[in-house]
Amino acid sequence: ETGVTQTPRHLVMGMTNKKSLKCEQHLGHNAMYWYKQSAKKPLELMFVYNFKEQTENNSVPSRFSPECPNSSHLFLHLHTLQPEDSALYLCASSQKLGSGRGETQYFGPGTRLLVL
Amino acid sequence: AQKVTQAQTEISVVEKEDVTLDCVYETRDTTYYLFWYKQPPSGELVFLIRRNSFDEQNEISGRYSWNFQKSTSSFNFTITASQVVDSAVYFCALSEVSNTGNQFYFGTGTSLTVIP
Repeated sequence: ETGVTQTPRHLVMGMTNKKSLKCEQHLGHNAMYWYKQSAKKPLELMFVYNFKEQTENNSVPSRFSPECPNSSHLFLHLHTLQPEDSALYLCASSQKLGSGRGETQYFGPGTRLLVL
Repeated sequence: AQKVTQAQTEISVVEKEDVTLDCVYETRDTTYYLFWYKQPPSGELVFLIRRNSFDEQNEISGRYSWNFQKSTSSFNFTITASQVVDSAVYFCALSEVSNTGNQFYFGTGTSLTVIP
């Protein structure tokens, strides 16, 4: 496989469920990102990891919990979500942070999440 | 203040027409990078182009061309002889390079519909 993959592609969950989103990149990158894309709103950066270390958490509610076990994998653990959390969740990767070269971010296909 | 402005929310053109998508950015950095991404209905953001602030040469790739003008802080994207497959949401993004990260600022996107 090449590029950035995300599973599942679609997810429906109740507010009391616990689920996890998975992202895997096959580009040899060291930085990974979670974004949230809601209808009619700009992309919102949620979390950033660089060499497995979290470098950014954009005031994301604790019901979203990221995990980065290695530079190729990124998870987003979900629990007790709200209906307003329904959105497209996009994962991205780039070479690394702090290179001073404005590294291109490559995106996965996203997970469409519906919270009932 | 919005760092990247895409004033055109939705555009419709008839197939084979040319169309220009506008992007205006705001930054105080002297070194920065600009990007365009395409998001088809499937959801994945597809990388189209990356330009650095020191390279104002316009670029052409097939039916796509980009016009970078620092004097007006604009990075416009033109599709020549549009096709139905060009229908998508297009995002312009700005990366301000810093010591801590690779912060991307995305515009709100322009939804392009090409009518057959």
